[in-house]
Amino acid sequence: AQRVTQPEKLLSVFKGAPVELKCNYSYSGSPELFWYVQYSRQRLQLLLRHISRESIKGFTADLNKGETSFHLKKPFAQEEDSAMYYCALRGVNYGQNFVFGPGTRLSVLP
Amino acid sequence: DTEVTQTPKHLVMGMTNKKSLKCEQHMGHRAMYWYKQKAKKPPELMFVYSYEKLSINESVPSRFSPECPNSSLLNLHLHALQPEDSALYLCASSQDPSQTQYFGPGTRLLVL
Repeated sequence: AQRVTQPEKLLSVFKGAPVELKCNYSYSGSPELFWYVQYSRQRLQLLLRHISRESIKGFTADLNKGETSFHLKKPFAQEEDSAMYYCALRGVNYGQNFVFGPGTRLSVLP
Repeated sequence: DTEVTQTPKHLVMGMTNKKSLKCEQHMGHRAMYWYKQKAKKPPELMFVYSYEKLSINESVPSRFSPECPNSSLLNLHLHALQPEDSALYLCASSQDPSQTQYFGPGTRLLVL
């Protein structure tokens, strides 16, 4: 079964500090992993997709199959990064649905 | 047009009412989705339409009835809902089921 865990409900960091949002998953095959972000009063939007291997808004995430993790990192947090972050997984077989983790609320303090 | 739109933004309905939620996209996407999101919880998948055919129904009660009239439109018909069905209903679309999903702003539903 597909499962995504995000151990921190709330993460508070100071502006300029590094931030790491943890995501672990369980899946028997090779999944696709995503990070979605929801800013206050805005729609859910894609932040990163592991197969793209790109950096968006200074965020990066590396898929670690050995540790079944897909942690989201940014070296210097900004106040505008404050939002709800969801890690999500999709199995690569047709018919596999999209599963979201419970989410981590990031609060970047001035 | 590069967005998924949803109407209405808010909906209040009684348990005996019949209402519909509407979702539209003009990006040529051939997969469309309905999610339910309760407060402080992640979105939960309800239905997936792929090339206008229902491909996934995540054991959703029959009081929720999806419809995909064409490749740009997705409806969710509501009938005899319960107060616990109150939630934010999100629509999403993707080029096909293997591609990135783009979300609409949601319809906030309150069932009295």
